[in-house]
Amino acid sequence: EAGVVQSPRYKIIEKKQPVAFWCNPISGHNTLYWYLQNLGQGPELLIRYENEEAVDDSQLPKDRFSAERLKGVDSTLKIQPAELGDSAVYLCASSLGIAGGEDEQFFGPGTRLTVL
Amino acid sequence: AQSVSQHNHHVILSEAASLELGCNYSYGGTVNLFWYVQYPGQHLQLLLKYFSGDPLVKGIKGFEAEFIKSKFSFNLRKPSVQWSDTAEYFCAVILPNTGGFKTIFGAGTRLFVKA
Repeated sequence: EAGVVQSPRYKIIEKKQPVAFWCNPISGHNTLYWYLQNLGQGPELLIRYENEEAVDDSQLPKDRFSAERLKGVDSTLKIQPAELGDSAVYLCASSLGIAGGEDEQFFGPGTRLTVL
Repeated sequence: AQSVSQHNHHVILSEAASLELGCNYSYGGTVNLFWYVQYPGQHLQLLLKYFSGDPLVKGIKGFEAEFIKSKFSFNLRKPSVQWSDTAEYFCAVILPNTGGFKTIFGAGTRLFVKA
């Protein structure tokens, strides 16, 4: 089965520019996660969707970050405007959506963002 | 605040040596526990998980982990490592939170196995 697909894999932009990342989860997976991973750190949750509803966006910096998951499948994460400190790997993951979070999360390859 | 601590950021072992990677979490209630691994150039993938029952769980590639509730620990072990175990290992905890649950990852441990 196809895994979680993310694009682009790499993105280099100048500060203050907008950037968008796209994620296509595994077919049938209701739950979708966006994580931020800084160098030398573990993934940090930005937002979690159950179908099309954002059920946990408490860690999403809403002044510059936004996300959407129209139709409960693909998702887009946007940063506008980007800052130097946003340089990181942005990971998307999906899972079946078992109550309580007991299911395995499947991760995509990530998008490595560099802000100059 | 809830957190996950992985004690060793870097570990270097020779092949056939035994491995134990520490993981401690700070939360007093019921948790679900995971170890994920990221091999060079690959995605994060599940190594093993614990929800309930036998606190000693076995995963893929000969790995196992033991949940010790009194110590809030979920250490990963392997009796004899191979060069192919070179990777980064992440401990993760799922606990009740906004929207039902919250996933917290540790900072990771980079393991290098010398052939």
